[in-house]
Amino acid sequence: EPEVTQTPSHQVTQMGQEVILRCVPISNHLYFYWYRQILGQKVEFLVSFYNNEISEKSEIFDDQFSVERPDGSNFTLKIRSTKLEDSAMYFCASSEALGGANVLTFGAGSRLTVL
Amino acid sequence: AQSVTQLGSHVSVSEGALVLLRCNYSSSVPPYLFWYVQYPNQGLQLLLKYTSAATLVKGINGFEAEFKKSETSFHLTKPSAHMSDAAEYFCAYRRGFQKLVFGTGTRLLVSP
Repeated sequence: EPEVTQTPSHQVTQMGQEVILRCVPISNHLYFYWYRQILGQKVEFLVSFYNNEISEKSEIFDDQFSVERPDGSNFTLKIRSTKLEDSAMYFCASSEALGGANVLTFGAGSRLTVL
Repeated sequence: AQSVTQLGSHVSVSEGALVLLRCNYSSSVPPYLFWYVQYPNQGLQLLLKYTSAATLVKGINGFEAEFKKSETSFHLTKPSAHMSDAAEYFCAYRRGFQKLVFGTGTRLLVSP
């Protein structure tokens, strides 16, 4: 079954460092997403991406965050200068189409620990 | 704000007992509703979804959920719990083309 793959599975970084989390969405999917889950809290939407543009972003997704599809297969989330509160599990997801009953397929997540 | 509410952060059942995980939505228009499961150290996996085609929705691993408009609920059930069902369960909600919004999650604990 097609799956979304994420790397790294776990990254530890120092506060202020830049981090790039990588995702390979399902190949025929057109919409891409990042969500995050701070330990013990709910899964929160960060951003959605379509046709090389951000289609929606949350208030969490400030100027420290950026997303990119650098080639035909990868979708990345960059955090420019990490803060302690960025420590979380970051989930990438993709879907064939937008909205309605379309299902998001999630990756296994990348756990980011900021020290 | 439109959302879903999951009652109970933890639910404990014995193996073989009925599983009932509660989810209520707040919306003036019936939304699209989903249940996802997260096994330890894994990502989110779709269990089932409500699309208005049928109020009783069957999903994977023996789970099902019933959409009740009068109660604004979409509770997840399974007749007989198995040890392997121990996981965190998330109800999620979407209106139209808006983003998928998750509830706070319910951790299911299954004891022998």
